[in-house]
Amino acid sequence: EVQLLESGGGLVHPGGSLRLSCAASGITFSNYATSWVRQAPGKGLEWVSGISGSAGSTYYADSVKGRFTISRDNPKNTMYLQMNSLRAEDTAVYYCATLVGATGSFDIWGQGTMVTVSS
Amino acid sequence: DIQMTQSPSSLSAFVGDRVTITCRASQSISSYLNWYQQKPGKAPKLLIYAASTLQSGVPSRFSGSGSGTDFTLTISSLQPEDFATYYCQQGFTIPGGFTFGPGTKVDI
Repeated sequence: EVQLLESGGGLVHPGGSLRLSCAASGITFSNYATSWVRQAPGKGLEWVSGISGSAGSTYYADSVKGRFTISRDNPKNTMYLQMNSLRAEDTAVYYCATLVGATGSFDIWGQGTMVTVSS
Repeated sequence: DIQMTQSPSSLSAFVGDRVTITCRASQSISSYLNWYQQKPGKAPKLLIYAASTLQSGVPSRFSGSGSGTDFTLTISSLQPEDFATYYCQQGFTIPGGFTFGPGTKVDI
């Protein structure tokens, strides 16, 4: 069974850091570009960052550029999101998802991990 | 950056109703338009990709159409399990991100 499992969420103070992980199983991870998508409480979906299967290319939303860093370790079947200088508006459920390159669609999603930025 | 809008933002319907949701892109995205269904507390689920292709396992009562800037999602006969929020998403270009629409909540 194909599965993505996020971890690493929690409560952090404004200005703090957190690293999220997304562990994949049931797929050849290096064959898939992947992304992080977040959803603030009661709000819609926001694409945050993406990375190619080889990790050669990375992409960021303007709202997180310069503060967040996406990476992956293919032998470990895991993607990461290092989040620095966190702000209250970064509070959200963070989902990882696999990207179908030909259509730009996200076909496999994890269950999400909650990040709360509050003093 | 490409902006996505949806209408309506919410709607109320009965089981058995035909429901149509509209999505508009701020510039042409060809057929790079995807639809998702999200239920409370759950991850989004891909319903339709490339504007009109049904994802495997999705019931045939769901259909999508459109190209360029204007797209529609239609549920031909609403079922109890279809009450959810629906999002469109452009898959045309990365710079600026794979933008999602604001969502349409379908309730009873």
